[in-house]
Amino acid sequence: NAGVTQTPKFRVLKTGQSMTLLCAQDMNHEYMYWYRQDPGMGLRLIHYSVGEGTTAKGEVPDGYNVSRLKKQNFLLGLESAAPSQTSVYFCASGGTGYGKLFFGSGTQLSVL
Amino acid sequence: DQQVKQNSPSLSVQEGRISILNCDYTNSMFDYFLWYKKYPAEGPTFLISISSIKDKNEDGRFTVFLNKSAKHLSLHIVPSQPGDSAVYFCAARGNSGGSNYKLTFGKGTLLTVNP
Repeated sequence: NAGVTQTPKFRVLKTGQSMTLLCAQDMNHEYMYWYRQDPGMGLRLIHYSVGEGTTAKGEVPDGYNVSRLKKQNFLLGLESAAPSQTSVYFCASGGTGYGKLFFGSGTQLSVL
Repeated sequence: DQQVKQNSPSLSVQEGRISILNCDYTNSMFDYFLWYKKYPAEGPTFLISISSIKDKNEDGRFTVFLNKSAKHLSLHIVPSQPGDSAVYFCAARGNSGGSNYKLTFGKGTLLTVNP
């Protein structure tokens, strides 16, 4: 029973490099989210999706792009990484509109 | 501006005593509130929730209280156990437009339960 799986778990990038974070859920959830967690800042929403083929901006979308080509997958892309994007990234999914989200275990990203 | 505020970054209590974690919000359009718990190197996990039409919800040792007029909610843990030591996030959901798909989180409170 995997739930929400994020890959990779750790990554180090140089400024200007690009990468894609993959999130996969096996609960047939409609809603998927990408959050970042920074010290003293809590969880901030980057982008989200309310269904296959849809995406929308959250609080802090700049510098990120997302795609939801398949219902079970939600990809987060960094086209040109910056040190300010050093963070822990969490993917989450939810099956109803009531906000009970299931989170992955996170990706620790460092941009040097 | 911060719509969900957890003003205490940390809280320390003795095992067996009550832990009270507080959360304030500013957006009157929030209609559903949740608490999540997070251990180090893990993702947050859902703990308990409350609808804005209620003022209390209980689940075992965990109770959430909502005071709509004060825009304040609190999480009570009784009795507290060392395994409860974690970061607790308060979150809120809006009730209109696209906001009902999104949660707004507070900054979290680190709870330490001492044996």
